[in-house]
Amino acid sequence: DAGVIQSPRHEVTEMGQEVTLRCKPISGHNSLFWYRQTMMRGLELLIYFNNNVPIDDSGMPEDRFSAKMPNASFSTLKIQPSEPRDSAVYFCASSFRGMGKLFFGSGTQLSVL
Amino acid sequence: AQKITQTQPGMFVQEKEAVTLDCTYDTSDPSYGLFWYKQPSSGEMIFLIYQGSYDQQNATEGRYSLNFQKARKSANLVISASQLGDSAMYFCAMRERRDNYGQNFVFGPGTRLSVLP
Repeated sequence: DAGVIQSPRHEVTEMGQEVTLRCKPISGHNSLFWYRQTMMRGLELLIYFNNNVPIDDSGMPEDRFSAKMPNASFSTLKIQPSEPRDSAVYFCASSFRGMGKLFFGSGTQLSVL
Repeated sequence: AQKITQTQPGMFVQEKEAVTLDCTYDTSDPSYGLFWYKQPSSGEMIFLIYQGSYDQQNATEGRYSLNFQKARKSANLVISASQLGDSAMYFCAMRERRDNYGQNFVFGPGTRLSVLP
């Protein structure tokens, strides 16, 4: 069984550029979460999808961040324009109907110069 | 208000000794779940153990056990016979329902455990 797949593993970009992070949840899981992890703020929930529908995006820092889930097997997190303070590890995680545990992807290490 | 509190930013334990990592939580949802995850220096998030709010017995998974004290809203992780490979960041997390729109997972700030040889 493939786990949650995130790409890219590492992204280095310059300030002002658009960044797109990708996530493929585990097949059959209908809940998908995007988290951001920094030393200062720990693990923060950015947005949560249930059955491809965004349920709670109150954690999205600002309008520069957007997330989509066009189908049950794919989600994107986009930052446009990127800023140095966006540098962090971004995790995608999925679960089945919110029951049981969260399965995490390997994360994307984003560095904005 | 913090939903998950982990009061120990860092802990040290001697190899082969047991260690307890503290976690307290806050929720008004009667049906919730508590989790512990391990994050080694490589960065991945590894599930360790789960406790449901209605579970009568404390959860155990190998060397990991969860000391669940519901009235005190406490869910401490106990690692027995510590190994050098247990050195990592440990996160306590809670799943709770949200206004009939599914559920939310919230994480504590983490405790960094260092196992000494």
